[in-house]
Amino acid sequence: DGGITQSPKYLFRKEGQNVTLSCEQNLNHDAMYWYRQDPGQGLRLIYYSQIVNDFQKGDIAEGYSVSREKKESFPLTVTSAQKNPTAFYLCASSKGTGLSGANVLTFGAGSRLTVL
Amino acid sequence: DAKTTQPPSMDCAEGRAANLPCNHSTISGNEYVYWYRQIHSQGPQYIIHGLKNNETNEMASLIITEDRKSSTLILPHATLRDTAVYYCIVRVRQVGGATNKLIFGTGTLLAVQP
Repeated sequence: DGGITQSPKYLFRKEGQNVTLSCEQNLNHDAMYWYRQDPGQGLRLIYYSQIVNDFQKGDIAEGYSVSREKKESFPLTVTSAQKNPTAFYLCASSKGTGLSGANVLTFGAGSRLTVL
Repeated sequence: DAKTTQPPSMDCAEGRAANLPCNHSTISGNEYVYWYRQIHSQGPQYIIHGLKNNETNEMASLIITEDRKSSTLILPHATLRDTAVYYCIVRVRQVGGATNKLIFGTGTLLAVQP
């Protein structure tokens, strides 16, 4: 079945350490996104990529970095510069970035990061 | 993106229809309304979207008022598995392949009761 795989599901990190969250999709989607969710809150966009080798900052990009070397993969690095990294991180993809019905977002199951 | 307003929580009896309201009074003529839901600690799931006309799919129906300032998501026969946070999202049609920048608010927690 096609879908988005995020790993790891749970991750613990010490302060000052960088950590990379994996996101892989086999949906042949061009666009990929990273969102952050805090308890009781909605989702906030961190970074997004419309095509391979291109990405743009979202609303809360500070302290994060991404790469898009392959269409299927969009890893997110949470750096030590991120002041409050403990959160639920969600990766998503869409066929394109237009507004037709085919471009709805498909989400992964999420990665929960806890900084000790 | 237009702002949306949803009640923080609602209850519904199992087997009955769940009607989830959403106000989007600042919506402009080219903005779509999207609905997603999120079961605890999982990724959001797309449900339905519409622009002007009412829409129906295998999951739900979407009723949009004539002035487009509000909409209602209808789950015709709610089950316990429909317990989730439901997000109503409005976003702008942008020319030239702009991003799917969806703004998720805090949504409505629907609790389906046995």
